[in-house]
Parts: sequence; C-alpha cells; structure tokens
Amino acid sequence: GDSVTQMEGPVTLSEEAFLTINCTYTATGYPSLFWYVQYPGEGLQLLLKATKADDKGSNKGFEATYRKETTSFHLEKGSVQVSDSAVYFCALSDLNTGNQFYFGTGTSLTVIP
Amino acid sequence: DAGVIQSPRHEVTEMGQEVTLRCKPISGHNSLFWYRQTMMRGLELLIYFNNNVPIDDSGMPEDRFSAKMPNASFSTLKIQPSEPRDSAVYFCASRRSYNEKLFFGSGTQLSVL
Repeated sequence: GDSVTQMEGPVTLSEEAFLTINCTYTATGYPSLFWYVQYPGEGLQLLLKATKADDKGSNKGFEATYRKETTSFHLEKGSVQVSDSAVYFCALSDLNTGNQFYFGTGTSLTVIP
Repeated sequence: DAGVIQSPRHEVTEMGQEVTLRCKPISGHNSLFWYRQTMMRGLELLIYFNNNVPIDDSGMPEDRFSAKMPNASFSTLKIQPSEPRDSAVYFCASRRSYNEKLFFGSGTQLSVL
C-alpha cells in the first residue's frame, strides 16, 4: 500500500544553516505530495505541495521537488531561522487509494541562534 | 472562513468516563479526517469520511472508539470507556477534494487520569 518515509529527527541546526529533510514515498498511482509544518501547541499547516512529477512546491523559503524517478520529495531551505523550529511532516494523497491521506512520522527541527 | 473548529481545546477526565470530541469542518469540504498524535506513535489516522460516509475506520484502535458524521457540518469522536492510554492530542481535518490540502483544527488535548 501507499506510505511515506521521512528522515528521523530530531535535527538541530544553527541559524543560517542549510536544511534538508528527506522524504520518500510508495504509491500505487500518481499521488499529490505535501509538506506540513506543526508549531508547538498548534495543528498542522500546509507548507507546500506538488501535484505532478517535476513540480516544485515553494513557500517561505522552503522548496521541495516531486521526483518520480526516485520517488522522493525532499524538503530544503537555504538559510534556516529560529522561527523555523517546528515538526515537519511529509504526506501524500492518492486517488487510487480512495482519497486517503498518508503522513510520515514527522521530523523535529530545532534552530539555535 | 473560520477554519476547522474543534472542541473542547482541553479535556481532563477520569478512567472509565465517556469522552466526546467535536469537530466542525470548513463549509464546502466533503472529506473529514480524525487523527491522533502521541510522542510514541506520531500522527495516526483513526477514521475518515467522504460526504458524511465513513470510508476507512481501520485506524480506530478498538470498539471503545466510535465516530459519527450526522451531517456535512459536524462530526464527533467518542471514547467509551476512556483509558489512560487514550491520552493524546486528537486532530480533526477537512478538505474539499482529493488533491487539495488538508486543513487542520487546533486539536483537543485529552488527558485520561
């Protein structure tokens, strides 16, 4: 069945460092891919999404490219800030599996000044 | 748009008591999801509805858990009887169609003593 595997955390970076959080997926069809962010004490919010191969989603300096050949959707940011400290979830939605929404386990990021 | 509204925000109860969590999805959204989040297991899908009909409840832990969606604007998740291991944050989320993003509520923090 469909699933999402993402890099385990926690990740700790210094401010202005480069961030990569790896995400790979397994899907029977052609899923849409998402990154969600959860700040402390809050619900999940969409960070970015991509709906087809080679699409690049971007928001707030974060980017991720839908790579069908490697079944990946890695999250990157060139220069992280303290305010980026949160838990990041990779997710997919696949029409072939009845509109289910699959989340990865989440990666906790802490950015220190 | 008020977003997905969950109540209560916090619930503290004693083992054996019945707990009812409530969710109002965004108007016009036809899919609703209930998730449970814990440190140990991350984000788990409990059940989801399409057009008020339960599609997949395989994530519901056991018969103590039940969910209903009597109409397009309201859903409940009930635990009867509650146990300490049910302590978690319960999120409700909704979306308009399969390739669109999920909107999350702020969650209900449940503590069963």
